[in-house]
Amino acid sequence: EVQLVESGGGSVQPGGSLRLSCAASGFSFTNSWMHWVRQAPGKGLVWVSRIKTDGTYTNYADSVKGRFTISRDNAKSTLYLQMNSLRAEDTAVYYCARGGSGYIIGWGQGTLVTVSS
Amino acid sequence: EIVLTQSPGTLSLSPGERATLSCRASQSITNNYFAWYQQKPGQAPRLLIYDASSRATGIPDRFSGSGSATDFTLTISGLEPEDFAVYYCQQYGSSQLTFGGGTKVEIK
Repeated sequence: EVQLVESGGGSVQPGGSLRLSCAASGFSFTNSWMHWVRQAPGKGLVWVSRIKTDGTYTNYADSVKGRFTISRDNAKSTLYLQMNSLRAEDTAVYYCARGGSGYIIGWGQGTLVTVSS
Repeated sequence: EIVLTQSPGTLSLSPGERATLSCRASQSITNNYFAWYQQKPGQAPRLLIYDASSRATGIPDRFSGSGSATDFTLTISGLEPEDFAVYYCQQYGSSQLTFGGGTKVEIK
């Protein structure tokens, strides 16, 4: 069974940092591009970042560039998102997702990040 | 960044009716790299269509995608009760992937 299990969400003050993790199982993690997508409460989907199978290519939405860093550990089948300089507008459910370089074929259940003073 | 505009915002239909959802891009999508997703309340999204018209694994044939360049359409040929949900379009033809704002299909 394919599983993507996010962790690391929680409440943080503006300017703070969080590191999200996503444990993957049931599929070939090393052959999958991985993505982070977020969804603010009651709002639509927003793509955040993606990383190539071997970690040699990454890119980001303009709204998080320079503040967020995506990475992966293929030996541990784990995806990460380091989030620095957090803002209130970063408040959202963050989904770990797998796919090709573009479309997304599988999603985790998400982890909620709340940025508030 | 390519902006995707979905219309209508809400579609009120009865079970059995045909649903037509539109998504317009601010610029032409390379290679028709375009997808559609369904999301139900409290759930993660599910891929329906990729490459503009290819159905994902396990998706019923009442779902179909069409279009090219800047105009894309998702058609549900006869709505089943489980199809009432929010639908999102997405483009992956540029390095910055983007989603549309969503169309809610509700029971009339």
